[in-house]
Amino acid sequence: GAGVSQSPSNKVTEKGKDVELRCDPISGHTALYWYRQSLGQGLEFLIYFQGNSAPDKSGLPSDRFSAERTGGSVSTLTIQRTQQEDSAVYLCASSLRLAGGPRSYNEQFFGPGTRLTVL
Amino acid sequence: AQTVTQSQPEMSVQEAETVTLSCTYDTSENNYYLFWYKQPPSRQMILVIRQEAYKQQNATENRFSVNFQKAAKSFSLKISDSQLGDTAMYFCAFIISGAGSYQLTFGKGTKLSVIP
Repeated sequence: GAGVSQSPSNKVTEKGKDVELRCDPISGHTALYWYRQSLGQGLEFLIYFQGNSAPDKSGLPSDRFSAERTGGSVSTLTIQRTQQEDSAVYLCASSLRLAGGPRSYNEQFFGPGTRLTVL
Repeated sequence: AQTVTQSQPEMSVQEAETVTLSCTYDTSENNYYLFWYKQPPSRQMILVIRQEAYKQQNATENRFSVNFQKAAKSFSLKISDSQLGDTAMYFCAFIISGAGSYQLTFGKGTKLSVIP
């Protein structure tokens, strides 16, 4: 089946403009994650959605960042009043609902990311 | 808090040779998973290999194997018979196991170049 898809692949914007990044998870995956990968850095967790539960927004770096997930499927990450330090690759991942048990783990499947450049 | 450290920003290896990428981590948890991800220029993160902390046996996947030293909190990746397609960024990552855990913690990556 299809993997995680993200759009646009690349986005160039001017400082101060708003941008929207889209993620389509794998069909049937109820968990969705956003990560940010800045130049020379590893991936930084931003936000987590699980079904209809309240999302974990603890990784969002400022109130200019927000995300929503409509109908438990597609997610949009919005960055308002973009700054140059927002330039990064934004990666989305999805997984099945987290299984129970102390040794459980659900593999996260990543999309190809959106490269955001703020001029 | 968990941390993952990759001390080799860049490495290179001759085609068909063997290379080892290093990773150390810090955690007070006892149940967790460790991973190596490959990120080629396409940016797609690809899971290379996974190790469950409660298993003493080192994981292997074809040409990829790990050396997991739990007491030393070390998790290195060995790539045998390196191929040109192995050229990529490699990230070491960690996650606490269990239903309440979902945040992957990543190292900063090692850029591997395979030289023909």
